[in-house]
Amino acid sequence: KAGVTQTPRYLIKTRGQQVTLSCSPISGHRSVSWYQQTPGQGLQFLFEYFSETQRNKGNFPGRFSGRQFSNSRSEMNVSTLELGDSALYLCASSLDGTAYNEQFFGPGTRLTVL
Amino acid sequence: AQRVTQPEKLLSVFKGAPVELKCNYSYSGSPELFWYVQYSRQRLQLLLRHISRESIKGFTADLNKGETSFHLKKPFAQEEDSAMYYCALKGELGGTSYGKLTFGQGTILTVHP
Repeated sequence: KAGVTQTPRYLIKTRGQQVTLSCSPISGHRSVSWYQQTPGQGLQFLFEYFSETQRNKGNFPGRFSGRQFSNSRSEMNVSTLELGDSALYLCASSLDGTAYNEQFFGPGTRLTVL
Repeated sequence: AQRVTQPEKLLSVFKGAPVELKCNYSYSGSPELFWYVQYSRQRLQLLLRHISRESIKGFTADLNKGETSFHLKKPFAQEEDSAMYYCALKGELGGTSYGKLTFGQGTILTVHP
């Protein structure tokens, strides 16, 4: 079956703009998590959605938000972009988000803020 | 707060040598521990999880609650094991941080021929 897909793969924005990233989970998966990966901070958890509800949230400012649709697809939005938001944003999906079901990662969206 | 520490940023071994990637964690409760691997130009993928008590590609990891460690071991390293390895922790079911996966900084393993 098809893996986790993320669009777009690359994005260049300027400071102050906003951006929306999209994630399509594996068919049947209801849990979608988002992570930010940077050379300095490594992989950091942003939030997790399950059945259209945000189940957990990391320590990121309110400029970072997300949502999940009824078909489990998820979007992540970052408003008022800052230079420090430049990162690889990874999405991962699993059946239910528990440790018993593997979490599959997408290829990521590389966001560059100028 | 939950935290995962991987003390070695880089680890180099020769083919056939044993390898151990260290992982220590901080969590007040019963965490769920994982090892993820990222090969060159590939996606991040699950290698193994402690609840499964499995051995994948010759790798094993034992959860030591007394030492709060989850070291990854392989008795005989292969060149194809060269990759970035991440240790990760998830809070226990029912806890406030359940669903939140916390990663260590990662260890780059290089296996020389």
